[in-house]
Amino acid sequence: DTGVSQDPRHKITKRGQNVTFRCDPISEHNRLYWYRQTLGQGPEFLTYFQNEAQLEKSRLLSDRFSAERPKGSFSTLEIQRTEQGDSAMYLCASSPPGGGATGELFFGEGSRLTVL
Amino acid sequence: GENVEQHPSTLSVQEGDSAVIKCTYSDSASNYFPWYKQELGKRPQLIIDIRSNVGEKKDQRIAVTLNKTAKHFSLHITETQPEDSAVYFCAASRGATGANNLFFGTGTRLTVIP
Repeated sequence: DTGVSQDPRHKITKRGQNVTFRCDPISEHNRLYWYRQTLGQGPEFLTYFQNEAQLEKSRLLSDRFSAERPKGSFSTLEIQRTEQGDSAMYLCASSPPGGGATGELFFGEGSRLTVL
Repeated sequence: GENVEQHPSTLSVQEGDSAVIKCTYSDSASNYFPWYKQELGKRPQLIIDIRSNVGEKKDQRIAVTLNKTAKHFSLHITETQPEDSAVYFCAASRGATGANNLFFGTGTRLTVIP
């Protein structure tokens, strides 16, 4: 499968614990995005990388959230001191250099976080 | 930033009827408008998209229209089938001219009644 892959698919943790999600984009894509989707809502933009540079961050990304893309390939999203309100699906997406012909984003299956 | 509004939030139609979902956006610089279909527990999947240089695009039973002046765009599904039942999201971005991060609407849950 050459699509966007995310790991783990499901994570259950206790409040206060740290969690980390990994995203592997489509290999030739240099743009990578993280979104958060809560039940019944559309995906909300969190942050965006072009290669290894984090170019944009949403105000939703509090101090407890950090994202990295150290070598411009895979990315990690870490949530420290998790809260119950962090329970959501975390979606990763990628797109080609320059956004490609249209700007289409290709999504992974997501990582579902449940904070008890 | 961009604000995308989507209506209705739920829509039930009889099989074979048409379904229409409408969205408005706020950022006049947005130029790319995709529609995603999301089934329960699955990733959003692109079903059709339109750029700002065209007013309408059609792909079999699915069509999208765009009115840039009024900043609204719509999804039309004809001859609906039970497998069309899902949540549909509209989105807007500055496309390839910008960061192209998408701003999504709140979704429409479409139910096609056999």
